[in-house]
Amino acid sequence: QVQLQESGPGLVKPSGTLSLTCAVSGGSISSSNWWSWVRQPPGKGLEWIGEIYHSGSTNYNPSLKSRVTISVDKSKNQFSLKLSSVTAADTAVYYCARWETGNWFDPWGQGTPVTVSS
Amino acid sequence: QSVLTQPPSVSGAPGQRVTISCTGSSSNIGAAYDVHWYQQLPGTAPKLLIYGNSNRPSGVPDRFSGSKSGTSASLAITGLQAEDEADYYCQSYDSSLSGYVFGTGTKVTVL
Repeated sequence: QVQLQESGPGLVKPSGTLSLTCAVSGGSISSSNWWSWVRQPPGKGLEWIGEIYHSGSTNYNPSLKSRVTISVDKSKNQFSLKLSSVTAADTAVYYCARWETGNWFDPWGQGTPVTVSS
Repeated sequence: QSVLTQPPSVSGAPGQRVTISCTGSSSNIGAAYDVHWYQQLPGTAPKLLIYGNSNRPSGVPDRFSGSKSGTSASLAITGLQAEDEADYYCQSYDSSLSGYVFGTGTKVTVL
């Protein structure tokens, strides 16, 4: 079955850019699914960041839209997240997930913690 | 930015039934968008528990059930077990935000 695995730096400096990658295995990123990023600040709830289709079409959370870029690399079967101008408020565990027709997310990656600190 | 409201915590003794509410508005649950539920065990990623308001993915015990009415939805756990201690989140789509929204989350404690 499809599995997702996030990777990237665990520490980012304030005002810098957070960059993460989600590798998809057991299935093709070119399937009829969208691929999303979700984050969870320490001790808090889940926040949807945005999504991408294999064609490159994207949708972003309006509250983050000005700072977010999600891209896809079909040759590597992976998609990526870039979040610019980060602050301590962007410290969170970042998850990638597959969107299913019907608007739910399954499966999820294991998550990767990112801390914004100097 | 949670637009779906859940009680912060619920608790029950083993074997009891507990319910978790998820209250939305006319731009999400009330707009006929489906509600989905996730279970997040301590230190792990969320796992799909209920999709399409009341459907269970393969492998999810039938102790878990979901329902939706108007601008709210509910998750019920019957025959509560120690392994059910976790955080639970509802999720839907919001047309005003043009994006997916999650509930505030509910911690279930087994007494």
